[in-house]
Amino acid sequence: GAGVSQSPSNKVTEKGKDVELRCDPISGHTALYWYRQRLGQGLEFLIYFQGNSAPDKSGLPSDRFSAERTGESVSTLTIQRTQQEDSAVYLCASSLAGSFYEQYFGPGTRLTVT
Amino acid sequence: AQSVTQLDSQVPVFEEAPVELRCNYSSSVSVYLFWYVQYPNQGLQLLLKYLSGSTLVKGINGFEAEFNKSQTSFHLRKPSVHISDTAEYFCAVSFTGNQFYFGTGTSLTVIP
Repeated sequence: GAGVSQSPSNKVTEKGKDVELRCDPISGHTALYWYRQRLGQGLEFLIYFQGNSAPDKSGLPSDRFSAERTGESVSTLTIQRTQQEDSAVYLCASSLAGSFYEQYFGPGTRLTVT
Repeated sequence: AQSVTQLDSQVPVFEEAPVELRCNYSSSVSVYLFWYVQYPNQGLQLLLKYLSGSTLVKGINGFEAEFNKSQTSFHLRKPSVHISDTAEYFCAVSFTGNQFYFGTGTSLTVIP
């Protein structure tokens, strides 16, 4: 079946602009995660959605970052007033409910803020 | 606080030699442990995981890892590496709160 897809694959934006990144999880996966991977660094947890429960937003670095998910489908990560330090690869992963289930990762969106 | 440490940022090794990639975590509660691999220009994929039971876990491509609770470690090993094993390897820990913590990664380079 289809894996996790993300769009766009690459995004170049000017400092101060808003960007929207999209994630389509695997059908049936109730859990969805967003991560940020800066160059040469590990994955940084941003936000976690589980079904209709309130999302875990504890990893969002500032109030410029927000994310939404409609039910158990598509999720959108929005970064307002982008800054150069927001440049990174943004990864989305989905899994079945529960922290012991494997996460399936999308290919990521490479964001460059100029 | 929970965290994951991968002490080796880069590991060069000759083809057919053994390799060990180290991972230590800090946690006062039960954990689930994972190793993910990211091949060049590809997304992350699961190598292996420890949930419970036998502390020696076998994964894909001949990799294995051993959970050592007393040393809070989950080191990844392979007895003989191939060129195709060149990749970035990430150790990850999860807890009942559903949040995953990833290490900073180890870049494995296999030298012909």
